[in-house]
Amino acid sequence: DQQVKQNSPSLSVQEGRISILNCDYTNSMFDYFLWYKKYPAEGPTFLISISSIKDKNEDGRFTVFLNKSAKHLSLHIVPSQPGDSAVYFCAASASKTGANNLFFGTGTRLTVIP
Amino acid sequence: KAGVTQTPRYLIKTRGQQVTLSCSPISGHRSVSWYQQTPGQGLQFLFEYFSETQRNKGNFPGRFSGRQFSNSRSEMNVSTLELGDSALYLCASSLARGSPKAFFGQGTRLTVV
Repeated sequence: DQQVKQNSPSLSVQEGRISILNCDYTNSMFDYFLWYKKYPAEGPTFLISISSIKDKNEDGRFTVFLNKSAKHLSLHIVPSQPGDSAVYFCAASASKTGANNLFFGTGTRLTVIP
Repeated sequence: KAGVTQTPRYLIKTRGQQVTLSCSPISGHRSVSWYQQTPGQGLQFLFEYFSETQRNKGNFPGRFSGRQFSNSRSEMNVSTLELGDSALYLCASSLARGSPKAFFGQGTRLTVV
């Protein structure tokens, strides 16, 4: 049972434009959400996170939006750069339980075209 | 600060053997979690250790085990290896329990032949 879903396996964007990656979740206990960037055969690199008490968090070119009522979050990258090309994973946690385990989506491969 | 260090980076083992993977978390981080990544199943949680105790376990058979030492370093062990255990094994380091912001190591690529 996939509790975190990324329904778009791939996304292509022109350099300089906005990239929007989407993620949906089903578990109401999730209260902390993260985005990771990953290259093949390497570990995920933390990008940005958001707590469920917020609906937006920004860090440089990266902004994460959380819509709790829709159980949906998105990552915006503006402007997109060729170096952003990678697989992006959305992850969620029920941190109030004290557990640190993350539930991951299946990833979206972003390609930024120069 | 040094990041999460996993050793070895690559490993080839034969079916039926056992393997031990090592992880050194970020200095000051006390929670270590392990994940398995395969093409078919994606990133799946194996277990979490904090204060040398397993706190949380994913849905994996008992052949997968781990431990954590007093310096927070962790090892995971897989016994009686099967072909399906071939995967990228990732260690994640967090500050404490209830602190899900995790930083990952480079991973250990295990190939079972």
